Amino acid sequence: QQQVKQSPQSLIVQKGGISIINCAYENTAFDYFPWYQQFPGKGPALLIAIRPDVSEKKEGRFTISFNKSAKQFSLHIMDSQPGDSATYFCAARNTGNQFYFGTGTSLTVIP
Amino acid sequence: NAGVTQTPKFQVLKTGQSMTLQCAQDMNHEYMSWYRQDPGMGLRLIHYSVGAGITDQGEVPNGYNVSRSTTEDFPLRLLSAAPSQTSVYFCASRLDRGYEQYFGPGTRLTVT
Repeated sequence: QQQVKQSPQSLIVQKGGISIINCAYENTAFDYFPWYQQFPGKGPALLIAIRPDVSEKKEGRFTISFNKSAKQFSLHIMDSQPGDSATYFCAARNTGNQFYFGTGTSLTVIP
Repeated sequence: NAGVTQTPKFQVLKTGQSMTLQCAQDMNHEYMSWYRQDPGMGLRLIHYSVGAGITDQGEVPNGYNVSRSTTEDFPLRLLSAAPSQTSVYFCASRLDRGYEQYFGPGTRLTVT
């Protein structure tokens, strides 16, 4: 049973376009929602994260939008670049200190 | 700082063999975790530790053992490998509960 549902599984975007990845959760005990970026052969690395008392967080070209009532959060990558091509994972941490990950989105940015 | 290191990078085992995946961190982090990554499944927590001498089970602990005798090291043991344990294994560490976790480069394990 997937605690965090992520979509789409794969995404192809033109350079300069906006990439949007969505995640949904059910457990209201989650208190921290990070996004990770993973390049082939590497471990995941934190990209940006948000807490549920905030509706939006922006860091450079990356923005998390958080809808607490709908139990959904999304990653927006503005002005997508070929170097952004990677797999992206959303995650959620519960109060018991465990992280649950989405199934990942493979992003390809076409030059 | 080397960060989080994992050895080996690749390993092939036969069914029934045992082995230990090594994980070490030099950041003096209290929290360490082991995840497995499978296609279409994301990362799933196997075991974690909140400090030396303290370990607990995660989402998929069966078939794996851990121990934490020092702050730096958190080895993962497969006592009797099964093909279902073919996966990429990641170790992660973080300073404390409220801090972000850092992942190692992973170990790709194949069980035949």
